[in-house]
Amino acid sequence: DSGVTQTPKHLITATGQRVTLRCSPRSGDLSVYWYQQSLDQGLQFLIQYYNGEERAKGNILERFSAQQFPDLHSELNLSSLELGDSALYFCASSVGRRETQYFGPGTRLLVL
Amino acid sequence: GENVEQHPSTLSVQEGDSAVIKCTYSDSASNYFPWYKQELGKGPQLIIDIRSNVGEKKDQRIAVTLNKTAKHFSLHITETQPEDSAVYFCAAITYFGNEKLTFGTGTRLTIIP
Repeated sequence: DSGVTQTPKHLITATGQRVTLRCSPRSGDLSVYWYQQSLDQGLQFLIQYYNGEERAKGNILERFSAQQFPDLHSELNLSSLELGDSALYFCASSVGRRETQYFGPGTRLLVL
Repeated sequence: GENVEQHPSTLSVQEGDSAVIKCTYSDSASNYFPWYKQELGKGPQLIIDIRSNVGEKKDQRIAVTLNKTAKHFSLHITETQPEDSAVYFCAAITYFGNEKLTFGTGTRLTIIP
C-alpha cells in the first residue's frame, strides 16, 4: 500500500458525460500527478500540481481539467467523454516537486 | 521531449533464473531513472531507482545499471520467483528540465515454475 488513495475504483458512464476522479496523496506529500494508462498508449503523464499550483502539463486534453485543494487532495475532471477516454487513471504523489513518485491503485473508467 | 524505449515487451524465464529488461532514453539531460512493477489490477509500485551520478544500485535480488554515455539503463532480477511475475516499467525524468516522468512501454515478465 503506497498511502495514495483514489476514488472511485470503478466508473461506468456514457459518452458526453462528465466525471470527477479524486485522489488523496500520502501524508506529507505536496505534489500530485495524474496519469492515464490505456492499452495502446501505456502510461501517459497528464498534469502535476505542487502545493495547490499547476506545475507541469503533459498530454492532457482540453476536455480534462484538474485542481489541487488546500488540503492537498486533487480532483481530475473529465468532460464530454468519448469512448477513447476509457482507461485507467492513476494519481501519484511525492514529497516535493522532484522526488520519487508513489502511485495510487487507480480508477478504471469505462465509457459506453 | 524525452523518449524511452523498453525491451523486450514480453519475457518468460524459469523460476530461479535471472531476468534482464533494458531501456534507452533520448534526453541526455535525464537524471533520474525509476523502475516500477505493476501487478494485475494494481497501481505501479516503485521497486528501485537510480540517479545519474551512480552507475549501479542493488537491493537484494534486484539491481539497476546505468550507462549515461550510451543513454541506457537495465533492470536485473536474480533468483526469480513466481511473485516476480508482473509488468515492469522503466521511466526517465529530467529534473531541472521539463520534469515530466516518461515511461517505457512495459515488459510483461512471466516466471515459469
